[in-house]
Amino acid sequence: GESVGLHLPTLSVQEGDNSIINCAYSNSASDYFIWYKQESGKGPQFIIDIRSNMDKRQGQRVTVLLNKTVKHLSLQIAATQPGDSAVYFCAENKPPGGKLIFGQGTELSVKP
Amino acid sequence: KAGVTQTPRYLIKTRGQQVTLSCSPISGHRSVSWYQQTPGQGLQFLFEYFSETQRNKGNFPGRFSGRQFSNSRSEMNVSTLELGDSALYLCASREGTANNEQFFGPGTRLTVL
Repeated sequence: GESVGLHLPTLSVQEGDNSIINCAYSNSASDYFIWYKQESGKGPQFIIDIRSNMDKRQGQRVTVLLNKTVKHLSLQIAATQPGDSAVYFCAENKPPGGKLIFGQGTELSVKP
Repeated sequence: KAGVTQTPRYLIKTRGQQVTLSCSPISGHRSVSWYQQTPGQGLQFLFEYFSETQRNKGNFPGRFSGRQFSNSRSEMNVSTLELGDSALYLCASREGTANNEQFFGPGTRLTVL
């Protein structure tokens, strides 16, 4: 079926290190990609997005890279903090409309 | 602005019953989408509504239905509940219909016994 898959289900990093979370998507027609953070007991929280006509976008401590040639998306978190510990999901928007297809999620654990 | 709200937050039902979940989008948002989240299947798209019309539908059986009201509030209904329907049901809203940020609510945790 349709899927956006993640290479690593868990990632453990030391506080202050940079984190990289990867994602492979399956639909070449997807035109918009988003990273969400989900903490226990909460709904997904928007982190950063990127449109298909871009290959890089930066936010505060986060960068998203898009490689359409190999259908790969990554999220880079600089100077990872304990508050970054959560499950991270990538999602692709499959037109028409706003159907988001989510990856399985990567659990990020930050060790102090 | 207040965020997306969902009621109830927790619900316990038994097999065969039906359930209705409610979602109030962010003020001014006209698009509401519903997702089901389970440990085994992850986050899966159920349906999307815009201006009271269903715009998109995921691969769920007909027991899952929804609607949207003129004030953009949305409800989803699951009839003849099965054990496998136990999940976190998430609602998300956004201003338009494509390519802009979807804001999620906290979800309704449904347990089917």
